Amino acid sequence: DIQMTQSPSTLSASVGDRVAITCRASQSINSWLAWYQQKPGKAPKLLIHKTSSLQSGVPSRFSGSGSGTEFTLTISSLQPDDFATYYCHQYSSYSRTFGQGTKVEIK
Amino acid sequence: EVQLVESGGGLVQPGGSLRLSCAASGFTFSSYAMSWVRQAPGKGLEWVSHISGSAGTTYYADSVKGRFTVSRDNSQNTLYLQMNSLRAEDTAVYYCAKADCGGECYLTDYWGQGTLVTVSS
Repeated sequence: DIQMTQSPSTLSASVGDRVAITCRASQSINSWLAWYQQKPGKAPKLLIHKTSSLQSGVPSRFSGSGSGTEFTLTISSLQPDDFATYYCHQYSSYSRTFGQGTKVEIK
Repeated sequence: EVQLVESGGGLVQPGGSLRLSCAASGFTFSSYAMSWVRQAPGKGLEWVSHISGSAGTTYYADSVKGRFTVSRDNSQNTLYLQMNSLRAEDTAVYYCAKADCGGECYLTDYWGQGTLVTVSS
């Protein structure tokens, strides 16, 4: 299985900050990388797919970049609604895997 | 609006069985592959199984292969997960998840609210 490693595990930031979360794959996944946001007790929500394509309805302050094995989720100006846990997800084959998650906390 | 509503979770003893259901609405169910993804308490997400829109193809994570069976009834817009020989490590919230196409596609674009399965004596 392809291993996905996110960093950091926890990120403390303030409203208005620019934040970035990194995800590294154990082998190339081309651009088959998605990002999800999950709030406590709720299902994950798709933010970005195919590395950089914004899902319909997701605010433009979210963006994704990268290729191969290194990927980044950037939030350009953190809003109160963005405090949550974020997961990267590779879907290059049926044996898909997720990163361990990055919790974005209020500083 | 896509809606996925899971049911069937609960407390079961080790070695026992449980069948989860997921009622789908708001899209043409038979045209989309579906998956089950689970999340142990306080942990991350783990893909469990996949079934194509026609039910002709199924895949399983190694951790559940031979114990879990995914199926679907396209006439009833319902997805199932039959779980046998349950272990403590199967304790998790189980999410029903819709893929973004019908066959060999593995991106999940919508999730249900989840149903909790607890395996304990």
